[in-house]
Amino acid sequence: DAGVTQSPTHLIKTRGQQVTLRCSPKSGHDTVSWYQQALGQGPQFIFQYYEEEERQRGNFPDRFSGHQFPNYSSELNVNALLLGDSALYLCASSLRGGSGGYTFGSGTRLTVV
Amino acid sequence: DQQVKQNSPSLSVQEGRISILNCDYTNSMFDYFLWYKKYPAEGPTFLISISSIKDKNEDGRFTVFLNKSAKHLSLHIVPSQPGDSAVYFCAARRASGGTSYGKLTFGQGTILTVHP
Repeated sequence: DAGVTQSPTHLIKTRGQQVTLRCSPKSGHDTVSWYQQALGQGPQFIFQYYEEEERQRGNFPDRFSGHQFPNYSSELNVNALLLGDSALYLCASSLRGGSGGYTFGSGTRLTVV
Repeated sequence: DQQVKQNSPSLSVQEGRISILNCDYTNSMFDYFLWYKKYPAEGPTFLISISSIKDKNEDGRFTVFLNKSAKHLSLHIVPSQPGDSAVYFCAARRASGGTSYGKLTFGQGTILTVHP
């Protein structure tokens, strides 16, 4: 049973560019959350998707947007990249409301130069 | 506004001894707490959790204690093993029905090193 799959594993982008990160949830999970983990910090909640809609959002600017597809997979898009967007981006899947726990992927390491 | 805090960036323990990792929170709406372990180049892995209606939860070598009045929880690992060396994150979640339900708020993490 595959867990949460994220792609790509590493990415290097230039300031001002746009990036799309992808996540496939654990089998049976219908909710996807995205987190940003800066170096030396804990993961920070970006947003959560359920039934193809954004249900909750953390304190992140509108440059961060997402999408959830009918098969529950999700994308995170970041526009107008800043150096400060360099971080590990983690996807977590769960059942609605988090019952049964949250399963995290290994993340995408984004470096903005 | 750091609602979940892990004030010890690192902890070093001898193999076989007890490891105690601490976590403090400020939001009284949190009702469910989790501990995650993270190895380099991997995502956080769930370790153990506790509901606010309990003050202790045990799973093998891992025990989590919750002191609601002090808004403090701790993770005890006994006995500690070298394979336990990792970053440990404390996380909290609000009660169901609130707009933040499902969102996890994490602490900054504590690096645990267990020496053979």
